[in-house]
Amino acid sequence: AQSVTQLDSQVPVFEEAPVELRCNYSSSVSVYLFWYVQYPNQGLQLLLKYLSGSTLVKGINGFEAEFNKSQTSFHLRKPSVHISDTAEYFCAVTRTSYGKLTFGQGTILTVHP
Amino acid sequence: DGGITQSPKYLFRKEGQNVTLSCEQNLNHDAMYWYRQDPGQGLRLIYYSQIVNDFQKGDIAEGYSVSREKKESFPLTVTSAQKNPTAFYLCASSVAGTANTDTQYFGPGTRLTVL
Repeated sequence: AQSVTQLDSQVPVFEEAPVELRCNYSSSVSVYLFWYVQYPNQGLQLLLKYLSGSTLVKGINGFEAEFNKSQTSFHLRKPSVHISDTAEYFCAVTRTSYGKLTFGQGTILTVHP
Repeated sequence: DGGITQSPKYLFRKEGQNVTLSCEQNLNHDAMYWYRQDPGQGLRLIYYSQIVNDFQKGDIAEGYSVSREKKESFPLTVTSAQKNPTAFYLCASSVAGTANTDTQYFGPGTRLTVL
């Protein structure tokens, strides 16, 4: 079985500051990893995904994430956040053999002026 | 303009009534999914369908039913057997259900409140 833990339920930060949203996963087999963003009362939108190759993945809106196999982590980062980045962020994992997406509990990022 | 539509956006029902949530996609995707979202619990998979006329239970299928008679449609019925149906329901689709690399595209969701 696979599982995902997002270590922070809420992250407050000031505008233009850097941010890191933490995600750890557990799986006995190789995995694919995703980060999604959800704005209030909307569906989810893909930010980025790691399938293979370079462990540093760049996504939309200036976000990037680094896959660390030894630490089973896939933390999301942005060097300078904007008010518009305020949203809930979800980390998700699926096995490289056929399997369903498993989501973490979500991290609410609030950017203050 | 391609995408996934869910209707209605807000839905209110009395306890004991069955209710059907609509999900339509015009992306020509084979696979479709239903998730339930509760605060602090992330998304949990209810049912998924990899192809027309076929579907499988997800992690929390009890009290729900689905059908997949057309490629573009995957309605979800919340039955009176669902103990705690009040939640935000999200529909998603992907190109093919057997490829884990596929991105899932989400609809805007339906917020169901059972009174």
